[in-house]
Amino acid sequence: QQQVRQSPQSLTVWEGGTTVLTCSYEDSTFNYFPWYQQFPGEGPALLISILSVSDKKEDGRFTTFFNKREKKLSLHIIDSQPGDSATYFCAASANTNTGKLTFGDGTVLTVKP
Amino acid sequence: GPKVLQIPSHQIIDMGQMVTLNCDPVSNHLYFYWYKQILGQQMEFLVNFYNGKVMEKSKLFKDQFSVERPDGSYFTLKIQPTALEDSAVYFCASSLAGQGYAEQFFGPGTRLTVL
Repeated sequence: QQQVRQSPQSLTVWEGGTTVLTCSYEDSTFNYFPWYQQFPGEGPALLISILSVSDKKEDGRFTTFFNKREKKLSLHIIDSQPGDSATYFCAASANTNTGKLTFGDGTVLTVKP
Repeated sequence: GPKVLQIPSHQIIDMGQMVTLNCDPVSNHLYFYWYKQILGQQMEFLVNFYNGKVMEKSKLFKDQFSVERPDGSYFTLKIQPTALEDSAVYFCASSLAGQGYAEQFFGPGTRLTVL
C-alpha cells in the first residue's frame, strides 16, 4: 500500500496562473512534510516544508497547507513562472532519529508562457 | 547552497558483476542516505548511515547491498552481485542532523543499468 499519494501526475498551467498540487498520506505517525523540486539532471531540492503542528506555511510564491484530520496536504504556487517547470515531490517522515523520507510519485509541472 | 556529488552519473554493467556507487556528501553532514527510483515510480528509501553504522534499512536493501564511508571519504553503496531489478537511479542524500525534520540534501543521482 502506497504510504504517500500525490496528484495530479502532470499539470500544465499558464504563466501567471496558480498551481495546486495535492498529497495524502496513510501513516498517522508522519509529522514532517517537505516538498521537493527537481529539475532534469539534478537531485531533488527542498522547496518548502511543514510540521504537523501547523496548518499553513508560506515562502514567497509558495504556500503549503496541511490538514491533519483529513491526512492531506497541498502546495500552492501563485504567479507561476516558466522557471517553475519541474517535477515536484511531496514527502513525509515521522519524528524518529533515522530521517527516513517516504515520497509521493511526483507531479510534472509545465508552466507555459 | 550545499552540494552533494555523485560519481558516476551513469553506469552500465552486466548482471552478476559488482558495482560501487560513490557519493560525496556535504562536508559537515553526519547522516547519509541512499534512495532508489525505478523509472516512472516513486523514490524509495534504501538505507541511512550514521557514525559508521546502518541506522535503518528498508526491505529493498537486499543482502547483496552494503554501505560504508571509510575514513570520511566517499559514502558508497556497493551491490554484489547485481541483478536486473537493480536497474534504477540511485540518489544519495546527506543531512546535518538525523531527526525526521532535518533537511536532506540530494545529489543528482547515478543511473545504473544492469544488462
